[in-house]
Amino acid sequence: AAGVIQSPRHLIKEKRETATLKCYPIPRHDTVYWYQQGPGQDPQFLISFYEKMQSDKGSIPDRFSAQQFSDYHSELNMSSLELGDSALYFCASSTSGSYNEQFFGPGTRLTVL
Amino acid sequence: AQSVSQHNHHVILSEAASLELGCNYSYGGTVNLFWYVQYPGQHLQLLLKYFSGDPLVKGIKGFEAEFIKSKFSFNLRKPSVQWSDTAEYFCAARPYGQNFVFGPGTRLSVLP
Repeated sequence: AAGVIQSPRHLIKEKRETATLKCYPIPRHDTVYWYQQGPGQDPQFLISFYEKMQSDKGSIPDRFSAQQFSDYHSELNMSSLELGDSALYFCASSTSGSYNEQFFGPGTRLTVL
Repeated sequence: AQSVSQHNHHVILSEAASLELGCNYSYGGTVNLFWYVQYPGQHLQLLLKYFSGDPLVKGIKGFEAEFIKSKFSFNLRKPSVQWSDTAEYFCAARPYGQNFVFGPGTRLSVLP
């Protein structure tokens, strides 16, 4: 069965650079979530989109932005990268509705040097 | 603040020992509960979930969890752990109409 696809799987950037992470949800899933998991920490919700509109916002820094496109894939744009941005970034997708399970992608490991 | 707490930061067991990982949540209304597992170097995977009905939920790989509403708890159990169960375990809650909130995670190390 198709799963959530994230690219790239690994990314190395230097401080003050920018990065773009991509997420392709499971077909027919209209909702996408982004999470950040720092080393040894639990996943923290960043932002979510439903039908190409931002549906909720968590602890996403102002340096980050995200959007969902007409094909439902989503991109997380990160600017002025800091060392503390090094983390595993998960994308999850679900169908709409409050009780629907989220399916997680494999994550993108971002390392900021 | 509404939150999810997990009792143990790191649990070390020998193979064949029984496992119970504690999870408590602080939401008063309707809430869905989940346990996710993250094997080393891998992404989160769903072990089991509770939406309604029988409070004893059975998941994959021999795991089960019991929802006790009066205690706001959703503890994860397994009668006999294996070395391959070594992983990080996250309890998560999804209050109605809101996003997931994850607990801090419990690292399980199973010694061969």
